[in-house]
Amino acid sequence: SQQGEEDPQALSIQEGENATMNCSYKTSINNLQWYRQNSGRGLVHLILIRSNEREKHSGRLRVTLDTSKKSSSLLITASRAADTASYFCATDSKAAGNKLTFGGGTRVLVKP
Amino acid sequence: EAQVTQNPRYLITVTGKKLTVTCSQNMNHEYMSWYRQDPGLGLRQIYYSMNVEVTDKGDVPEGYKVSRKEKRNFPLILESPSPNQTSLYFCASRGSHNSPLHFGNGTRLTVT
Repeated sequence: SQQGEEDPQALSIQEGENATMNCSYKTSINNLQWYRQNSGRGLVHLILIRSNEREKHSGRLRVTLDTSKKSSSLLITASRAADTASYFCATDSKAAGNKLTFGGGTRVLVKP
Repeated sequence: EAQVTQNPRYLITVTGKKLTVTCSQNMNHEYMSWYRQDPGLGLRQIYYSMNVEVTDKGDVPEGYKVSRKEKRNFPLILESPSPNQTSLYFCASRGSHNSPLHFGNGTRLTVT
């Protein structure tokens, strides 16, 4: 089944730096979503970007989508220790029966 | 407050002893889903439901049952749990396929 794959698997940065993670997928999508998960807790939705959109912002978060390359990126600017979490992309496509399919996630550690 | 509520939060049981994990949402969402999360395997969908009395298998349905008798509730049933079902389980709901998933806080299940 289609799956988003995040890159890198893990990322360690200093507070104040930017963090960028990427997501690649295999088939056409309706939308792509990014979620955040604090250790052992439920996932929290961050941003949804539709297939006809190229960029979206929410606070310190910036998401881009390149449907020709079947990839998306999530940028966290001016990171804080509280941004330490795992970040997942999820794809929503007709090919997958309109269900969300999650990637393996990127673990981000922001050091104070 | 809009939320998805799972119970219990932690559960330790023995092989073969039937158990049910409850899930309830108060957002009048039609779509509900169960996921399991395992290290290195990411989030995998177990079952999902598009509406009352409509349930479908996800990617890893073996050993699980669900029911959707009411819109708000979507219990996950393990008739005869086995150690390979030790995992972190999440229930989630959403209003439509172009809207984000709302997750519960998870149920950590250990089967000995």
